[in-house]
Amino acid sequence: DARVTQTPRHKVTEMGQEVTMRCQPILGHNTVFWYRQTMMQGLELLAYFRNRAPLDDSGMPKDRFSAEMPDATLATLKIQPSEPRDSAVYFCASGFSGRTSYEQYFGPGTRLTVT
Amino acid sequence: AQSVAQPEDQVNVAEGNPLTVKCTYSVSGNPYLFWYVQYPNRGLQFLLKYITGDNLVKGSYGFEAEFNKSQTSFHLKKPSALVSDSALYFCAVRVYRDDKIIFGKGTRLHILP
Repeated sequence: DARVTQTPRHKVTEMGQEVTMRCQPILGHNTVFWYRQTMMQGLELLAYFRNRAPLDDSGMPKDRFSAEMPDATLATLKIQPSEPRDSAVYFCASGFSGRTSYEQYFGPGTRLTVT
Repeated sequence: AQSVAQPEDQVNVAEGNPLTVKCTYSVSGNPYLFWYVQYPNRGLQFLLKYITGDNLVKGSYGFEAEFNKSQTSFHLKKPSALVSDSALYFCAVRVYRDDKIIFGKGTRLHILP
């Protein structure tokens, strides 16, 4: 049963620290998305990749967030420095860009708490 | 511009009764529509999609959705609700000529025993 995996599942850190979240997309998928979910804002798209190339990161605070795909099996989302307002659940999703296949499959999320 | 609206923040249904969770959309081009479910402390799970073809789409866990082009709606339905269906449901629409999909704000479904 193919799944998107994310690590860590939970992260508590102090303000100013660097946070790195990792995602392993489903093998064979060629799109990867990073979302943030909060009670106030709901689900926000932060960035996405197709065939490892970043196509849209307009949802990310540029000064502190960065997203990369060093290879097809790993996507990372980094926050440096972290702030309390970054506290949220961060989801990675993967999918396959094709004529009838645009659904995305989500990982379990990383719950980030910045104190 | 593409958008999706879920007019109800919460829907309460008695167990065994039929349920409907509403969704309306606005798209450029042909609509690609999706429903997702999120259980507590979990990621979103894909339930079903409409791309083309029959207006009634069947998905996981006995859910189905009816595409109505004239009303620009894509309501999620189930003939007989289970307590275990209680969760947060998201309607979504694909951005025209893009890989991105836009999610609604979600509807919390409570199935009352």
